[in-house]
Amino acid sequence: DGGITQSPKYLFRKEGQNVTLSCEQNLNHDAMYWYRQDPGQGLRLIYYSQIVNDFQKGDIAEGYSVSREKKESFPLTVTSAQKNPTAFYLCASSIRLTSGSDETQYFGPGTRLLVL
Amino acid sequence: RKEVEQDPGPFNVPEGATVAFNCTYSNSASQSFFWYRQDCRKEPKLLMSVYSSGNEDGRFTAQLNRASQYISLLIRDSKLSDSATYLCVADNYGQNFVFGPGTRLSVLP
Repeated sequence: DGGITQSPKYLFRKEGQNVTLSCEQNLNHDAMYWYRQDPGQGLRLIYYSQIVNDFQKGDIAEGYSVSREKKESFPLTVTSAQKNPTAFYLCASSIRLTSGSDETQYFGPGTRLLVL
Repeated sequence: RKEVEQDPGPFNVPEGATVAFNCTYSNSASQSFFWYRQDCRKEPKLLMSVYSSGNEDGRFTAQLNRASQYISLLIRDSKLSDSATYLCVADNYGQNFVFGPGTRLSVLP
């Protein structure tokens, strides 16, 4: 089945630890995104990538890092510099990121990150 | 001022009621608009795109007013299964896909 997968569903982080959230898509989409959602809040953009080996900071990139070595994969690392990492992390993809294209974003099931 | 604003609700309505959600956006360069539905502790799922001329999908109708920078979603004959949070999105050719905070709907039996 085509879609976006995220793992793990739940992740626990200890103080000072870096953790990596996985996002994979088999939709052949060029663009991928990471969002953070806090309880009762909307989604905030962390990073996005329009093409392999390229990515851009979103509104709240501090304390996070990403890579885009393959079209299908866009992992997010939550570093120890992120002081308030507890949130619901959502990965999304869209066909491409150009004018006139279908910009609709499709989401993975999300990863809940909790700090111990 | 937030780029996309919505009434947070909650809207508590009886089954069969008609309910309308409003959304305003501040970026006049926004070109594409969407409504997403998000169930509790789940990912957002696309409900419908919003076209300039307005569009309808079954019980759902979306309207766009570019002059007022205003989007609406109308749900007719509400079902229990419509209970969710509805997220409004404004997009500038994918360069600035901005979500509103969402409006929570509870449809009561």
